[in-house]
Order: sequence, then C-alpha cells, then structure tokens
Amino acid sequence: DTTVKQNPRYKLARVGKPVNLICSQTMNHDTMYWYQKKPNQAPKLLLFYYDKILNREADTFEKFQSSRPNNSFCSLYIGSAGLEYSAMYLCASRGQGHSDYTFGSGTRLLVI
Amino acid sequence: GEKVEQHQSTLSVREGDSAVINCTYTDTASSYFPWYKQEAGKSLHFVIDIRSNVDRKQSQRLTVLLDKKAKRFSLHITATQPEDSAIYFCAASRDSGYNKLTFGKGTVLLVSP
Repeated sequence: DTTVKQNPRYKLARVGKPVNLICSQTMNHDTMYWYQKKPNQAPKLLLFYYDKILNREADTFEKFQSSRPNNSFCSLYIGSAGLEYSAMYLCASRGQGHSDYTFGSGTRLLVI
Repeated sequence: GEKVEQHQSTLSVREGDSAVINCTYTDTASSYFPWYKQEAGKSLHFVIDIRSNVDRKQSQRLTVLLDKKAKRFSLHITATQPEDSAIYFCAASRDSGYNKLTFGKGTVLLVSP
C-alpha cells in the first residue's frame, strides 16, 4: 500500500475543545509532515517527525503537538481549538533517500 | 524564511495548447524545486522536480525551467489535455536531510475542449 491515510476526513470541533487528527502509512517512510492549508493560502508546514524526533516550526510551536508511537502513525494534537484552526490538515510522508512527498487526502477541520 | 510566490491564481487554455505556470522564490540557498498536482477531490501528488545543478528537466509533456539568477522556476505543459485540469503547487527547499518544502498558493489550470 503506497498511500497515506488520514482520519477522519471531516472533523467538527467546539471552540476550546481538544482535537486529535490521525495519519498513517505503511511504506516505512522515516519522515512524516503535517501541513495546514486554508483557502487561497499556501500549505503551511506545522511540524514534522524525522524518525522519532519531532521538529516544530517556530511560529506554530505552541499551538500544535504531535506524537509518533511507531513508524506508521503520526498524530496532530490541538489542545484548545480556536476558530482560526479551521482549515484542511494535510499529512505527508517521505522515504529515506527520496525527495518527493506522498500526501494523504487531508482532514477538513471546522471549529465552531 | 523562504517565500514562494505563484503569480497566477487561474490559467485557462484550450486543449492542445501549451500552459506555463510561473513561481518565484526568495531563499538563495534553495536547491530543490518540485511541483505537485491536485485533481478535484484528490490529494496532492508529485509530478516533476528540478535541482539547482541543472536549469531544465523534461518528463514527457512536462518541462521545468529554473533561472537561479532571477530566482524563478516554471512548469511548462505541452499539448494540454482535459485531464491536466487541476491545481498545481510549486515548492522549494534547501534539500537538506529534512527536505522541508515551502509551497506556493497554487494555480488552477483549466483545460477546455
């Protein structure tokens, strides 16, 4: 299976509540990325895991957390959702020695 | 940090014509420039890339040109077909071990019969 799977496809969350998004791949890719995509904006890198090491972008450092319990799974966690978190969240993975990403279909999060 | 600009939000062409999508970048250390395509209802998928050690790369009907002096790169699609209709995203990175991509906003390419 050469796909990246994201669950759920759509997520509705209340302001102030936590949100957990899931991504998985079985390609044994060592790097997994999370991007946020809003309408008419470029996909924005939030964080990525290289193997077991988490790297968070400086401007989103405090807003998002992540875990990678094994090579296949990676989560994106929002502790307290705000309206500004409404967006498409894209997960991607990349294998060692390769430059191209494999993207999942995304999770569309709506915070109300 | 790196900024990637994709100047055309929409591009409309007739089937069989050529299409050119342009991008600029700001980080002179960027050395890897991929393009991704997103068809309606589907995820982004990789189509072609170019590295800074060359200024041109072709794969079938797709050609990427890179002008490092101008910090500009472009995707050329010849003999367009309706199935080329999609959103095309350009991106850039320093191609370090982590290969963190900075994306443009995307260009909607519409190929009409």
